[in-house]
Amino acid sequence: EDKVVQSPLSLVVHEGDTVTLNCSYEVTNFRSLLWYKQEKKAPTFLFMLTSSGIEKKSGRLSSILDKKELFSILNITATQTGDSAVYLCAVAPNSGGSNYKLTFGKGTLLTVNP
Amino acid sequence: DAGVTQSPTHLIKTRGQQVTLRCSPKSGHDTVSWYQQALGQGPQFIFQYYEEEERQRGNFPDRFSGHQFPNYSSELNVNALLLGDSALYLCASKGTGGVTYEQYFGPGTRLTVT
Repeated sequence: EDKVVQSPLSLVVHEGDTVTLNCSYEVTNFRSLLWYKQEKKAPTFLFMLTSSGIEKKSGRLSSILDKKELFSILNITATQTGDSAVYLCAVAPNSGGSNYKLTFGKGTLLTVNP
Repeated sequence: DAGVTQSPTHLIKTRGQQVTLRCSPKSGHDTVSWYQQALGQGPQFIFQYYEEEERQRGNFPDRFSGHQFPNYSSELNVNALLLGDSALYLCASKGTGGVTYEQYFGPGTRLTVT
């Protein structure tokens, strides 16, 4: 069964700090790893990673995947209070066709204090 | 461009009752997945619909059933509600054209079973 473990489960930082969120996974026939930000209800898409060693960047957020060691990290630099949210990591297996089941971790609750 | 929409926003039901939740996918998307997110947990995959058929199913009992309509919208039905069914139910949609594996989530339906 596919498995995703995120750490830490919660984190409290001050504005301006840099944070690193971790995601390790076990999946049969890996297709992609995705990061989502969940503030109130709907998880919003951040990144999709399919290849090792290629960093994806969006503003102050960046992410990289290591397919050999089966983990990914999400970095947030110069954190702001608006970054406070649950960050979810999910993996998708390559099960063929249109099948696309995501397995999520429990998430990391990030709190950024002013 | 409307994103994924879900209705209702909140719902309170009594143990043993039945409930129907609704989802309209993002414009241009034809695949709909349903997830259950208990408090403090990551979303768990229930099932996925494509071309009006259930294509994949997670570890959920037969009390959970669904349907997809020709306009790609979908319903999730839960029979014989249990207290443990209380959760946020998320709908996600994706397209099948090209390499588009990102899933976009709706705001969810908060179901409380008393």
